[in-house]
Amino acid sequence: GIQVEQSPPDLILQEGANSTLRCNFSDSVNNLQWFHQNPWGQLINLFYIPSGTKQNGRLSATTVATERYSLLYISSSQTTDSGVYFCAVLKTSGSRLTFGEGTQLTVNP
Amino acid sequence: DTEVTQTPKHLVMGMTNKKSLKCEQHMGHRAMYWYKQKAKKPPELMFVYSYEKLSINESVPSRFSPECPNSSLLNLHLHALQPEDSALYLCASSQFGWRGGGSETQYFGPGTRLLVL
Repeated sequence: GIQVEQSPPDLILQEGANSTLRCNFSDSVNNLQWFHQNPWGQLINLFYIPSGTKQNGRLSATTVATERYSLLYISSSQTTDSGVYFCAVLKTSGSRLTFGEGTQLTVNP
Repeated sequence: DTEVTQTPKHLVMGMTNKKSLKCEQHMGHRAMYWYKQKAKKPPELMFVYSYEKLSINESVPSRFSPECPNSSLLNLHLHALQPEDSALYLCASSQFGWRGGGSETQYFGPGTRLLVL
């Protein structure tokens, strides 16, 4: 099956700092999603981004499908950004999302 | 409205109990999913329903029994669970699922935290 690797596994920031989270995948995909899981367990959709660049407020994401990686940028981080960030991909002609192990982000005030 | 709802939020059950988890969406989606998530791990797919028919069962033990009564509802019936089944159970939906090639967003509900004693 497809392999999904996220880095770093853990990240601690001071409020206001910027960060970049990375997702590498081992095969071609036609679906890539970034999620934020808050401390209550809710998986919140951040981006559907199998290729290209998108921005939503302080968050942006870029997927370079030909090089099999995606980046999630968080600018001016806030304590509410804390939680686990997951990348999930669907291999081309596959039938199930495969999740990475996640990046645990802690933003301190 | 991109909302998937799940009830109950929390559930404690004994190993001899029978209980059910419920999931509902009103986005007109035709694919619905059950995932299981253990602490500090990513969600793991359990079942996929496509157009109200079970299309994927990831070798889940028979003590978990899914049901899709209609296109908006998804149930997960639980019977004779083990303590290791304690986890967060997440429901998700998407517009077409694999029939649409999979190039679509999956939306997740808030989950049910299950504790088996």
